[in-house]
Amino acid sequence: SAVISQKPSRDICQRGTSLTIQCQVDSQVTMMFWYRQQPGQSLTLIATANQGSEATYESGFVIDKFPISRPNLTFSTLTVSNMSPEDSSIYLCSVEPGAGDTQYFGPGTRLTVL
Amino acid sequence: GENVEQHPSTLSVQEGDSAVIKCTYSDSASNYFPWYKQELGKGPQLIIDIRSNVGEKKDQRIAVTLNKTAKHFSLHITETQPEDSAVYFCAASRGDYKLSFGAGTTVTVRA
Repeated sequence: SAVISQKPSRDICQRGTSLTIQCQVDSQVTMMFWYRQQPGQSLTLIATANQGSEATYESGFVIDKFPISRPNLTFSTLTVSNMSPEDSSIYLCSVEPGAGDTQYFGPGTRLTVL
Repeated sequence: GENVEQHPSTLSVQEGDSAVIKCTYSDSASNYFPWYKQELGKGPQLIIDIRSNVGEKKDQRIAVTLNKTAKHFSLHITETQPEDSAVYFCAASRGDYKLSFGAGTTVTVRA
């Protein structure tokens, strides 16, 4: 498995602002992912964070709204841009350490947009 | 894309009884099926997984069964304890690292 940390753990933000969420892993991993979990809902994949290249976004998610960085094999950031109350969710990063699809999740960042 | 349906949405069991959660998937190419447990205020925790070349897997009080023909898989928790109370998610993947999640089951174990 892998030990994953996220910062911040929670935040309350104003409409129109942006928040950058950090994900740190204790070992080098090839695959890192960002998910959104809306209140009381399941998990939806936002994008795959690729080291050294642009992230791969899922349908319904765009780079302008959710820019992602992956500067090395242990770290990634997700920015939620120009936030609205509809962006209030838990944002989770996950990693696949090379054990064939097995993903491990971080503790999540709980975002509330007023 | 893959569609995963999960039932029931809520499940209340008496401590010591068994709990069963069922999921169906649509993509016959799916070959990896993990189960996650999410406690309040925490991220999902992988509790057990199964691959398509195996019909059943067990880990202490938790077991998962897979029926590839019917495209469904189930989580079984025996001798439930209060600490088993959580939201459980099933997921499916066709080996492309993308997990499709079910809607979740809220399990409450009554003391």
